[in-house]
Amino acid sequence: GEDVEQSLFLSVREGDSSVINCTYTDSSSTYLYWYKQEPGAGLQLLTYIFSNMDMKQDQRLTVLLNKKDKHLSLRIADTQTGDSAIYFCAERTFVGSQGNLIFGKGTKLSVKP
Amino acid sequence: ETGVTQSPTHLIKTRGQQVTLRCSSQSGHNTVSWYQQALGQGPQFIFQYYREEENGRGNFPPRFSGLQFPNYSSELNVNALELDDSALYLCASSHVGTESYEQYFGPGTRLTVT
Repeated sequence: GEDVEQSLFLSVREGDSSVINCTYTDSSSTYLYWYKQEPGAGLQLLTYIFSNMDMKQDQRLTVLLNKKDKHLSLRIADTQTGDSAIYFCAERTFVGSQGNLIFGKGTKLSVKP
Repeated sequence: ETGVTQSPTHLIKTRGQQVTLRCSSQSGHNTVSWYQQALGQGPQFIFQYYREEENGRGNFPPRFSGLQFPNYSSELNVNALELDDSALYLCASSHVGTESYEQYFGPGTRLTVT
């Protein structure tokens, strides 16, 4: 079945770049997403990428997609303490005809001053 | 533009009871999906509603049920609560016809079953 895997923890220093990695299994996924969750809050959509793209850049965020290896990464440039949160990778599948999302367990990003 | 809202914020119930959680979609969205997020886990898809009908379901038993209303708001009902139902319940809205299918999440309802 479909599965999304992420490393659980990442620690970086303020001002450095962060790279969060994700692997997925469903080769038919058309869209892949990154969400951010701060403590006690819901999920905030950060960005997404269509499967026919290799890269997408949005301000400090860069998404890289290696479709052959089913590997997705999120790079955050100039990481700030406000970026400390849990980051979820998700792939779109079609259990419902409109599609639904399968999430990884999340990567907890800690940013040290 | 109004975002996705959920109520209540927190809820404590006893095993065996029933609970109803509510969600208001983001303006202009016609599809609602519900997810369960256990502590330390990613959200898991429960079901989705479109045009007031269930439109897909994840691996959850029938005691999890829902409704969608003409104004696209939605309810999640859980009967015969079990301790393992303790989780954050997230509602997400989206719009059919949006190819990228972005789902926008509410802040969630934290359910504790004792």
